[in-house]
Amino acid sequence: DTAVSQTPKYLVTQMGNDKSIKCEQNLGHDTMYWYKQDSKKFLKIMFSYNNKELIINETVPNRFSPKSPDKAHLNLHINSLELGDSAVYFCASSQSRGSSGNTIYFGEGSWLTVV
Amino acid sequence: GDSVTQMEGPVTLSEEAFLTINCTYTATGYPSLFWYVQYPGEGLQLLLKATKADDKGSNKGFEATYRKETTSFHLEKGSVQVSDSAVYFCALSKDDKIIFGKGTRLHILP
Repeated sequence: DTAVSQTPKYLVTQMGNDKSIKCEQNLGHDTMYWYKQDSKKFLKIMFSYNNKELIINETVPNRFSPKSPDKAHLNLHINSLELGDSAVYFCASSQSRGSSGNTIYFGEGSWLTVV
Repeated sequence: GDSVTQMEGPVTLSEEAFLTINCTYTATGYPSLFWYVQYPGEGLQLLLKATKADDKGSNKGFEATYRKETTSFHLEKGSVQVSDSAVYFCALSKDDKIIFGKGTRLHILP
């Protein structure tokens, strides 16, 4: 069983479209994250949710909207896609917030290409 | 603010060479420190971690020691293999955040 699974793995779409990436974790974790990795492999946190509550919202365009229907799911919706949104998006989860020794478990990534 | 600095890559070594990837951090308080590895086409995986000063994390022949006096967490391996080729990320966690370094790409030549 995959611990953190995200779909789709590959997505090619045109500028201006709206797309979603879905994420599910079966680890029973309370906290979930979205990270963006650019072409230089730099990893930047976008959002973090704890028990469906938004706790980290970094400086991200408001075209990006996370949604957490329950603590096992954190989806990422992107409106009006731009070329600069092309990147790999990683979903991740950890046991709980505020406990700094927790390991983060990552999904395999969603490769988004905007053309 | 809190930050992680790791040596820029790419690092290219021959098989069986000794590896060191430097990592230093800036943080108030007592963060936990991690090394994650990303193999081609995959997500990040935890390689090892240390949660307090002088702790040594180890896994798959890799080691790193949490040095508070030098604010460092350097990754070492005595004899690298081709299969160790990957991108390595140093990270710290404190409170609600994990902060990653920029990653170091490692190439091991047979």
